[in-house]
Amino acid sequence: KAGVTQTPRYLIKTRGQQVTLSCSPISGHRSVSWYQQTPGQGLQFLFEYFSETQRNKGNFPGRFSGRQFSNSRSEMNVSTLELGDSALYLCASSLLASGSSYNEQFFGPGTRLTVL
Amino acid sequence: GQQLNQSPQSMFIQEGEDVSMNCTSSSIFNTWLWYKQDPGEGPVLLIALYKAGELTSNGRLTAQFGITRKDSFLNISASIPSDVGIYFCAGYDRGSTLGRLYFGRGTQLTVWP
Repeated sequence: KAGVTQTPRYLIKTRGQQVTLSCSPISGHRSVSWYQQTPGQGLQFLFEYFSETQRNKGNFPGRFSGRQFSNSRSEMNVSTLELGDSALYLCASSLLASGSSYNEQFFGPGTRLTVL
Repeated sequence: GQQLNQSPQSMFIQEGEDVSMNCTSSSIFNTWLWYKQDPGEGPVLLIALYKAGELTSNGRLTAQFGITRKDSFLNISASIPSDVGIYFCAGYDRGSTLGRLYFGRGTQLTVWP
């Protein structure tokens, strides 16, 4: 079974631009979560989507948004890029949505975003 | 948000040595997880712990869920070169109805042959 795929793997943008990252979950998985990984802050939760609806959101500004399609594929968008947005963006898929118990999340390889 | 303190930040050990790392939190979790991340890859789940006091092994790896539910440790016995990587602890907070993961900052492990 294919794992979680993320495209593109690397991206270079300049300040003020916007960017869209894509995530294809494991076949049959309906939940997609996004994380930002930086050396300074570590891994931080951005948001979770399930059945095309955002279920949960971390503490990030409104410039960070996402969506999920009917085939469970997800995209995240960052508008008006800042230097501090340079990071590895990871998505993780799970069979079910997060709830009262943990559903194992499988991570993709990430998209390395560099903002110049 | 929840704060997870993971230590040590880095370890340099010789092949064959045992390794121990731990994670503490200011709040309780109902699930503790340990992940490993190799360069250019996403984290991979090593061990999941679901009950306070639980001790679980996965090959040479052993992890425990602390009694207070605010801490966990991971031991690696007889380290080998392929153990190199970054190890993360994570706690799952189920919240009121929406759960999410909180991660430690990671332990960078280097193994000398």
